[in-house]
Amino acid sequence: DSGVTQTPKHLITATGQRVTLRCSPRSGDLSVYWYQQSLDQGLQFLIQYYNGEERAKGNILERFSAQQFPDLHSELNLSSLELGDSALYFCASSSSQQGDTQYFGPGTRLTVL
Amino acid sequence: AQSVTQLGSHVSVSEGALVLLRCNYSSSVPPYLFWYVQYPNQGLQLLLKYTSAATLVKGINGFEAEFKKSETSFHLTKPSAHMSDAAEYFCAVTLSGGYNKLIFGAGTRLAVHP
Repeated sequence: DSGVTQTPKHLITATGQRVTLRCSPRSGDLSVYWYQQSLDQGLQFLIQYYNGEERAKGNILERFSAQQFPDLHSELNLSSLELGDSALYFCASSSSQQGDTQYFGPGTRLTVL
Repeated sequence: AQSVTQLGSHVSVSEGALVLLRCNYSSSVPPYLFWYVQYPNQGLQLLLKYTSAATLVKGINGFEAEFKKSETSFHLTKPSAHMSDAAEYFCAVTLSGGYNKLIFGAGTRLAVHP
């Protein structure tokens, strides 16, 4: 158990819908990262937050957004969903920004029908 | 730009045989390098990481990796495979002195046969 929790574990929804994925980092970790794992693209970095502020952006679509709240949990919002958004979404956390180990949650499997 | 190449999307070994999973990286600055393992229907678990200290890094479950700057490689090895090692393995790189996003290789699926 990494100490990072993600909910829900599975999510099945239809095209055009909007969903919210939630992540709670390890106790004391200030950084939260979101990654997408798909058969086509592999594991890709989406976005990083550090202590409530956006720090780095990767291959995140404009239909996707995220935020980190004062209690340090984070939410990833996916809207106008397409079939191609079906993937495993991971959250990771670390205690600092640079070079520290990222601990991954169990992931949320999103299926868009 | 950083990148990671894992040679061999599938590797199959016999139980008790040497495990060698290959990873080459590209980075213009000194990197941090990681190996993660993913078991079916689970998240990623850190096996080991290189952060510019010793070039030979020992990790969990008997795995180790050697950082070779001249070859830009960070191959993962284990002297004797166990059935429980069957999983997908990911090599990843991030920049020292920069933000922490991980760039992953495509992964290598390890199968262990009795």
